[in-house]
Amino acid sequence: DTEVTQTPKHLVMGMTNKKSLKCEQHMGHRAMYWYKQKAKKPPELMFVYSYEKLSINESVPSRFSPECPNSSLLNLHLHALQPEDSALYLCASSQTRDTGELFFGEGSRLTVL
Amino acid sequence: AQSVTQPDIHITVSEGASLELRCNYSYGATPYLFWYVQSPGQGLQLLLKYFSGDTLVQGIKGFEAEFKRSQSSFNLRKPSVHWSDAAEYFCAVGLNTGGFKTIFGAGTRLFVKA
Repeated sequence: DTEVTQTPKHLVMGMTNKKSLKCEQHMGHRAMYWYKQKAKKPPELMFVYSYEKLSINESVPSRFSPECPNSSLLNLHLHALQPEDSALYLCASSQTRDTGELFFGEGSRLTVL
Repeated sequence: AQSVTQPDIHITVSEGASLELRCNYSYGATPYLFWYVQSPGQGLQLLLKYFSGDTLVQGIKGFEAEFKRSQSSFNLRKPSVHWSDAAEYFCAVGLNTGGFKTIFGAGTRLFVKA
């Protein structure tokens, strides 16, 4: 059983829609991450939050907007996405940013039509 | 530039046979090293990690990995593969250069035949 929970598991949206992906962890971790994974590729880092502050933004387009309401929750707001944004979006957490070991959720499969 | 290389895109192994997945990294110092496994449509799960100390590391599900500094390698092994081991395996390097960052290899897809 994963201790990082992501919702929804599947999302289909049009290019004009606004939607959000949600992630929750109850391990007391202070770092949370969003990764994007295309088929047959490794995960690519999008954002890192450390102690609820954005610490890494890997030059992700502004149509992706992260939010960390508290230490247990991480959201990814989606607006005006493109079909090439279709991917598996993975949330992860770690004890702190420097502890290295990542705990992943099962992912949200996003399809943009 | 730092990099992680997994030379085998896919490997097929018979059930019960031994397994070795290769991983090489390029980095000036000894980084943190990880192996993750991903079943289809799932997230990644940590199999094992190396930070320092004993260079032979034991992980979950009967996996082990050996760090060889001279070869900049961190190969994953399992003495007897089960059909449920079929998955994608990612080697990863953790670097602390102005903030910790994890770099993943391209992955090796493991197929297990009966």
